[in-house]
Amino acid sequence: AQSVTQLGSHVSVSEGALVLLRCNYSSSVPPYLFWYVQYPNQGLQLLLKYTSAATLVKGINGFEAEFKKSETSFHLTKPSAHMSDAAEYFCAVSDAGGSTLGRLYFGRGTQLTVWP
Amino acid sequence: SQTIHQWPATLVQPVGSPLSLECTVEGTSNPNLYWYRQAAGRGLQLLFYSVGIGQISSEVPQNLSASRPQDRQFILSSKKLLLSDSGFYLCAWSDPRQGRWGYTFGSGTRLTVV
Repeated sequence: AQSVTQLGSHVSVSEGALVLLRCNYSSSVPPYLFWYVQYPNQGLQLLLKYTSAATLVKGINGFEAEFKKSETSFHLTKPSAHMSDAAEYFCAVSDAGGSTLGRLYFGRGTQLTVWP
Repeated sequence: SQTIHQWPATLVQPVGSPLSLECTVEGTSNPNLYWYRQAAGRGLQLLFYSVGIGQISSEVPQNLSASRPQDRQFILSSKKLLLSDSGFYLCAWSDPRQGRWGYTFGSGTRLTVV
C-alpha cells in the first residue's frame, strides 16, 4: 500500500530564508513521487516529480526535492523564500510501480506562510 | 495540448437541492478521470475515479454520485445536498498509458451549501 506523511501542517519562514517541507512515503513498489502547489481557490499545479531517474529533482519556481530511498523521504526545498511562495503544498506517491496505471495518494498538505 | 475544464467556479446551493458539476478534458482520449474534495483542514479526499465510459469506482460512500457519459466528460451529482457537502471540488485526469507521470487538475469548484 502507498501512503504519504507530510510533517507539519503549517510552516512559516521569513522572506529570503530557506524553505523545507517534509514528506515521507510508504510504498510497496518503486515509488513515483510528486509535489503539487495550490494557491487559494485554485487547482493543484505540479511543481516537480521523481520518476526513478536523477534523485535530485528540480522543479518550477526554484524548488527542488531529493529522493532518499534509505530515509523514504522526498523533502521539498527552496534556498530563498519569496512572498509569492505562500501556498499549500501537497506531496503525493503513485502506485504505478512498474506499470503504466497509477493512482496518486496525497498527503494532508502543508500550508507555507512567508513573512516579509 | 491537453486541457481540463471544470465549471462552475463557485456555487451556492440550498440544502436539499440537486447538484451537477461538470468536467471535460480536451486533447487526449480515454483518460483516467478523478473527482476529489477538499474540506477545510482535511486535505484531498478521492471521491470517484473512472477508467472508461460508464465505469465509475467510488472511494467513499456518501451523498454524491458520478457519471461518465462520454469519453472525456465526468459529472459529479447529488439528488439532495447536505450541509456537509460543502467544500472545494477538484477534477483531475491522467493518461492511463503514462499513469506514473501524475495528474493534471482542473481549477476547482467552490461549493457552499446553505
